[in-house]
Amino acid sequence: AQKITQTQPGMFVQEKEAVTLDCTYDTSDPSYGLFWYKQPSSGEMIFLIYQGSYDQQNATEGRYSLNFQKARKSANLVISASQLGDSAMYFCAMRGNFGNEKLTFGTGTRLTIIP
Amino acid sequence: GAGVSQSPSNKVTEKGKDVELRCDPISGHTALYWYRQRLGQGLEFLIYFQGNSAPDKSGLPSDRFSAERTGESVSTLTIQRTQQEDSAVYLCASSTGGALGTDTQYFGPGTRLTVL
Repeated sequence: AQKITQTQPGMFVQEKEAVTLDCTYDTSDPSYGLFWYKQPSSGEMIFLIYQGSYDQQNATEGRYSLNFQKARKSANLVISASQLGDSAMYFCAMRGNFGNEKLTFGTGTRLTIIP
Repeated sequence: GAGVSQSPSNKVTEKGKDVELRCDPISGHTALYWYRQRLGQGLEFLIYFQGNSAPDKSGLPSDRFSAERTGESVSTLTIQRTQQEDSAVYLCASSTGGALGTDTQYFGPGTRLTVL
């Protein structure tokens, strides 16, 4: 079974500061993928970034980067230079390999950017 | 191109009635997924389609829930004899169904179901 743990139910961050959202995972699959999604108050799920378990380098997408520490089973999302529009729920999720394609989600972190 | 679309966006029904929720995936995506999100919670997996077969139905909470898919196109999630605990947002996602590294799921806007 796969499990995602997000231990920060809510965070408040000053605009323009960097923020790290924590995510730890557990799986028995030898290969897997880790995802972060953003859910604004409008409700849509927006894909942000992906990290494969065998990727040698941490994933980056614009202001988003994923701090992947495989030995610690952590996949923290780092948002640099936060903006007011970053205020949203953030979900960490993982997917196994063939036969385990569904996404398993954490409970999410509500990020609020303070002007 | 067009993203995943879902209809209706909102559905209010009375307890005991049947409801059908529709999902149109991104064109060319062979994999389709249904998830449920209760208020203030994360997403729960319901069912996964590869083409029109469903290799993983493990998340369907009861036999009142069923889903079908026509080819590699539209899918319908049906909830029979709705209960108040079925109230949630039902989200559909689609992906290319390829290898792990390339298979990102893209979500639709969801259907908010309220059972009175």
